[in-house]
Amino acid sequence: DIQMTQSPSSLSASVGDRVTITCRASQGIRNDLDWYQQKPGKAPNRLIYAASSLQGGVPSRFSGSGSGTEFTLTISSLQPEDFATYYCLQHNSYPWTFGQGTKVEIK
Amino acid sequence: EVQLVESGGGLVQPGRSLRLSCTASGFTFGDYAITWVRQAPGKGLEWVGFIRSEAYGGTTEYVASVKGRFTISRDDSKNIAYLQMNSLKTEDTGVYYCTRRVGQNLDYWGQGTLVTVSS
Repeated sequence: DIQMTQSPSSLSASVGDRVTITCRASQGIRNDLDWYQQKPGKAPNRLIYAASSLQGGVPSRFSGSGSGTEFTLTISSLQPEDFATYYCLQHNSYPWTFGQGTKVEIK
Repeated sequence: EVQLVESGGGLVQPGRSLRLSCTASGFTFGDYAITWVRQAPGKGLEWVGFIRSEAYGGTTEYVASVKGRFTISRDDSKNIAYLQMNSLKTEDTGVYYCTRRVGQNLDYWGQGTLVTVSS
């Protein structure tokens, strides 16, 4: 199985900060990676697909990059509504696997 | 409007069975694969498995931890997908989501149903 190592597990940031979250795959997965945002008590929402494509309706302050084994989600200017938990998901091979999640909290 | 609604969750004893349903509306259900994802309380997301559309054989894939105990099926005439869970363990406790799969992407999710495995 492909292991997804996500870091950091949590971070504290202020409104307006630039935030970067990383996912590392245990083997190459091309660009078969999505990023999801989850708020408490809610189902996840997809932000980025195919590593760098922005989901329709998602603000442009979110961006994704990477290929192979290293991937990054960047929030260019953190907004109050962005405080949530973020997950990467690889869909290169079965079983699909999520990263452990990154909780973004208010500093 | 695309909607997925899970049902069938509840409290069940270890070793017993439970069947979850995922009722879909707003799209041609039979054209899509359906994936199940779960989340233990206070923990991260775990992909459980999925069922392909009948056009792709209606076959299934599972994560190792549920293989042989869980079965995903579908009834396209009723727009429902099922997750049959047998020999339940305490570590199966969590919220179970069904999602629509488009290509390699999970684009719509239900609100989830809570399964609690406890004596």
